[in-house]
Amino acid sequence: GAGVSQSPSNKVTEKGKDVELRCDPISGHTALYWYRQSLGQGLEFLIYFQGNSAPDKSGLPSDRFSAERTGGSVSTLTIQRTQQEDSAVYLCASSVDRKSYEQYFGPGTRLTVT
Amino acid sequence: ILNVEQSPQSLHVQEGDSTNFTCSFPSSNFYALHWYRWETAKSPEALFVMTLNGDEKKKGRISATLNTKEGYSYLYIKGSQPEDSATYLCAFMVYGGSQGNLIFGKGTKLSVKP
Repeated sequence: GAGVSQSPSNKVTEKGKDVELRCDPISGHTALYWYRQSLGQGLEFLIYFQGNSAPDKSGLPSDRFSAERTGGSVSTLTIQRTQQEDSAVYLCASSVDRKSYEQYFGPGTRLTVT
Repeated sequence: ILNVEQSPQSLHVQEGDSTNFTCSFPSSNFYALHWYRWETAKSPEALFVMTLNGDEKKKGRISATLNTKEGYSYLYIKGSQPEDSATYLCAFMVYGGSQGNLIFGKGTKLSVKP
């Protein structure tokens, strides 16, 4: 079956502009996670959605970052007024539910802020 | 702050060499330990999920061991091939409030020279 997909695969934007990154999880997966990898760093957790519960936003680095998940499926990560330090690979993952061990990752969006 | 350490940071080996990497993680509130293989521009691919102290898992030429009491896991690759070149990520899954969120190490980048 189809895996996790993300779009765009690459995004170059100017400092100060807003960007939206999209994630389509595996159908039927109720848990969805966003991570990012900045240069020289490990993957860091950003935000997590589980069904209709309030999202766990504990990993968002600033209030310029927000995410939503519509209809329990597609998720959009929005970064407002982008800064150069936002340049990173943004990965989305989904799993059957929060207690499931396996997380399936998308190919990521490489964001470059110039 | 929960920290996952991986060593070495990078490794260059010749085709046919066997190699191993280390992952250190907190020994408390353990839920699971993941190993992923990540090639540039592709989705991280799950290799192993280990949950029990003493677990040993094998997939072809790759195997992994887990020691939850002392907080470490080893990944072994026997007879490395050029196609094994990738970044190998270790991720710790904590039990409790943040259950489900993966805490990643910075990875070990393996290059296998023909």
